[in-house]
Amino acid sequence: AQKVTQAQTEISVVEKEDVTLDCVYETRDTTYYLFWYKQPPSGELVFLIRRNSFDEQNEISGRYSWNFQKSTSSFNFTITASQVVDSAVYFCALSGYGTASKLTFGTGTRLQVTL
Amino acid sequence: SQTIHQWPATLVQPVGSPLSLECTVEGTSNPNLYWYRQAAGRGLQLLFYSVGIGQISSEVPQNLSASRPQDRQFILSSKKLLLSDSGFYLCAWSVGRGHGYTFGSGTRLTVV
Repeated sequence: AQKVTQAQTEISVVEKEDVTLDCVYETRDTTYYLFWYKQPPSGELVFLIRRNSFDEQNEISGRYSWNFQKSTSSFNFTITASQVVDSAVYFCALSGYGTASKLTFGTGTRLQVTL
Repeated sequence: SQTIHQWPATLVQPVGSPLSLECTVEGTSNPNLYWYRQAAGRGLQLLFYSVGIGQISSEVPQNLSASRPQDRQFILSSKKLLLSDSGFYLCAWSVGRGHGYTFGSGTRLTVV
């Protein structure tokens, strides 16, 4: 069975601070995919990133960066110089490689960025 | 390009009334389709998924059912709603094999 754990329920930071959202996963699959989604107050899920289990290179996209460490089964997400618009719930998720693979979500981390 | 439509956006229904939420996908064939529910302040729970017309897999026992009458249409139903059915329902599609999942805009259901 697959499991995703986001231990941080809620994080509050002041604008311009850096913040890291933790994600730990469990799977027996050798090939799998990890995702991060952002859910703003409007509710829709906004795709941020997808990584496959064979690519452990860290990725940076603007103020966002992701650290994938297979040895610790973690896929952490860092926002540099946070902004108020970053306030949202962030979900980490995991899927297998099969044609009928399902996406398993963590419980989410609510990020509140204040001025 | 592929798009996913989900409606209605919000719904308030009395306890015991029926439910029908519809999701349609455009621009792709034979997608995997999924229904997720998010209870207030909680994570997303997979309710049903479908890999083809008429093929429905249920992830959790519940008061809801799903149907896929056409390749790109996925319907979530209930004969009699319970208060516990309240939540935010999201439809999603994927072609599997690690490809991304695209989500609809969601339906916020309140059972009163």
